[in-house]
Amino acid sequence: DTEVTQTPKHLVMGMTNKKSLKCEQHMGHRAMYWYKQKAKKPPELMFVYSYEKLSINESVPSRFSPECPNSSLLNLHLHALQPEDSALYLCASSQDREYEQYFGPGTRLTVT
Amino acid sequence: GEDVEQSLFLSVREGDSSVINCTYTDSSSTYLYWYKQEPGAGLQLLTYIFSNMDMKQDQRLTVLLNKKDKHLSLRIADTQTGDSAIYFCAEGNSGGYQKVTFGTGTKLQVIP
Repeated sequence: DTEVTQTPKHLVMGMTNKKSLKCEQHMGHRAMYWYKQKAKKPPELMFVYSYEKLSINESVPSRFSPECPNSSLLNLHLHALQPEDSALYLCASSQDREYEQYFGPGTRLTVT
Repeated sequence: GEDVEQSLFLSVREGDSSVINCTYTDSSSTYLYWYKQEPGAGLQLLTYIFSNMDMKQDQRLTVLLNKKDKHLSLRIADTQTGDSAIYFCAEGNSGGYQKVTFGTGTKLQVIP
């Protein structure tokens, strides 16, 4: 298994909703990442987990809350989002923090 | 901080070679990557090159690195319509944490 999977593929949520994005990999990778990508822009790093511990938070607002329950799973909990948070949310994993990253297909999030 | 620049758009005819260029500013970059993103999809790692190399060939792909000028290029031989996508170059540093900075992306259009 050489892929990173993300669910759901699409998500529409209101500003008062609470939802979660899920990412899974079974490659034995020990680093996992969340990125945000707006239309026609490059991905922007949000969070990095290394060995299930949060190692990087790129000054992301607290309405985004990451969680790494185990080495294969990464969640992103969403609460009280704003319309400008609408974007493609990409998950990635790598063997360790020093190695190349493999991306999932993303979750297209729309906040209404 | 790091800055990675690419031209926005490239159009080529099917069967021709495509050359996508990238410039970066961080001289301590250890790895340089090329990613492909098709519409609505995640990023696919195409190839990467270590900073101590000046060329890498992988089937139809040739990566050239001019470290002195901080210039990276991706040549796609015999370009096909399936190569139409956005191509991102990215640079990363090792030394504890692989923070990857993505370029602005080049949209490649292949004309049949």
